[in-house]
Amino acid sequence: AQSVTQLGSHVSVSEGALVLLRCNYSSSVPPYLFWYVQYPNQGLQLLLKYTTGATLVKGINGFEAEFKKSETSFHLTKPSAHMSDAAEYFCAVSDRSNDYKLSFGAGTTVTVRA
Amino acid sequence: SQTIHQWPATLVQPVGSPLSLECTVEGTSNPNLYWYRQAAGRGLQLLFYSVGIGQISSEVPQNLSASRPQDRQFILSSKKLLLSDSGFYLCAWSQGPGTKNIQYFGAGTRLSVL
Repeated sequence: AQSVTQLGSHVSVSEGALVLLRCNYSSSVPPYLFWYVQYPNQGLQLLLKYTTGATLVKGINGFEAEFKKSETSFHLTKPSAHMSDAAEYFCAVSDRSNDYKLSFGAGTTVTVRA
Repeated sequence: SQTIHQWPATLVQPVGSPLSLECTVEGTSNPNLYWYRQAAGRGLQLLFYSVGIGQISSEVPQNLSASRPQDRQFILSSKKLLLSDSGFYLCAWSQGPGTKNIQYFGAGTRLSVL
C-alpha cells in the first residue's frame, strides 16, 4: 500500500519568493507521482506528474518537481511566487501494481504576501 | 476533448433527507469513475470507485452508496443524511489501467447538512 506525507499544512511566502512544498511517499513498487492544485470551491487541477523518464518534471504555471527515489520525495517548487499561486496543493501517489487508485496527502495551503 | 460535469454545485439538506449527486463524463468511453469527500481542513478521502457499469467498490463504511447506471454516469446517494455527511464532494475520472491513473476532477458539490 502506498501513502503520502506533506510536511506543513500551511506555507506563507512573499510575492516573488521561492515556493517549496514538501512531499514524501511510501510505496512498495515504483510509483506514479502527482501534484494537484485546488482553488477555493473548485475541483482539483493537475499541476504535473512523474511516471517514467526524467526525474525533474515541469508543470503548468511555472511549477516543477523532482522525483528523488533515494529520498522517497517529490517536492514541488516555483522560483518566484505570484499572488495567483494562493491555493491548496495536494501530492498524490499511485501504485503501478494497482493503478485504479490515488492516495492523497493532507494538502498544503499556500498564502502569498504582497 | 473530455469534460466532467457535477451537479448541483451547492446543496443544503436537512438531517434525515435523501441525497442524490450526479456526475457525468463526456468525450471518452469506459472511464474509471471516483467519488471523493473532502472535509474542512482535511485531505481527500476516496469513497467509491467504479471500473465499469454496475461495478462499484466501496473504500470506507458509511451512510452513502454509489451507482453507475450508464458508462459515463456516476451517482452518489444516501437514504438519510447525517450531520457528518457535510463536506465537499468531488467526482473524478481516469482512462483506466495502463494509463498511469491520471485523474481529472469535476468542480465539486458543497453539501451542508443542517
